[in-house]
Amino acid sequence: TQLLEQSPQFLSIQEGENLTVYCNSSSVFSSLQWYRQEPGEGPVLLVTVVTGGEVKKLKRLTFQFGDARKDSSLHITAAQPGDTGLYLCASLNNAGNMLTFGGGTRLMVKP
Amino acid sequence: NAGVMQNPRHLVRRRGQEARLRCSPMKGHSHVYWYRQLPEEGLKFMVYLQKENIIDESGMPKERFSAEFPKEGPSILRIQQVVRGDSAAYFCASSSTSGGGTDTQYFGPGTRLTVL
Repeated sequence: TQLLEQSPQFLSIQEGENLTVYCNSSSVFSSLQWYRQEPGEGPVLLVTVVTGGEVKKLKRLTFQFGDARKDSSLHITAAQPGDTGLYLCASLNNAGNMLTFGGGTRLMVKP
Repeated sequence: NAGVMQNPRHLVRRRGQEARLRCSPMKGHSHVYWYRQLPEEGLKFMVYLQKENIIDESGMPKERFSAEFPKEGPSILRIQQVVRGDSAAYFCASSSTSGGGTDTQYFGPGTRLTVL
């Protein structure tokens, strides 16, 4: 089982600021997924990255997969209060039936 | 299309009682996964089931926990003789296929279990 470390654990910023959160492992990922979880709800898939060096954009969110496929980052531009939530990275095992999650980054964006 | 449904959303039990958590997968999905999220921790895999079969239960505690996904009806996660350490949010996810590393698991809203 891969161990996924996310940083920072907590982040509190003002509306309009930019931020980056990280997901790292000592192992190589076959793919990596980013989820957002709001209080009282289940995680919602934001993106899946598969290829080393891949960059995917989702409106103000930019996801990058490291060249060696051991790390990933999520960058949010001009954060809004609606971005508040828990951001989780996860990897799927080789059998494709078990997600291993990182500990998450809890983001709060103040108006 | 209805998403993954879980009930109850909140469940309170006293120590020693049984807890039954239900999960109805998305329409057309035959693969169900259960995860547990302890306070201030990430989600941890518990069990993966297909209709009438447990495929992988490597994340399930050996005692007091069981899961089933019958031919008809929802998947059930059963916790016998609950203890305070079982207090957590339990999430169910479903997918239409499995394997290959590209199948999306869709999560339900979770059941928050509180053991008094």
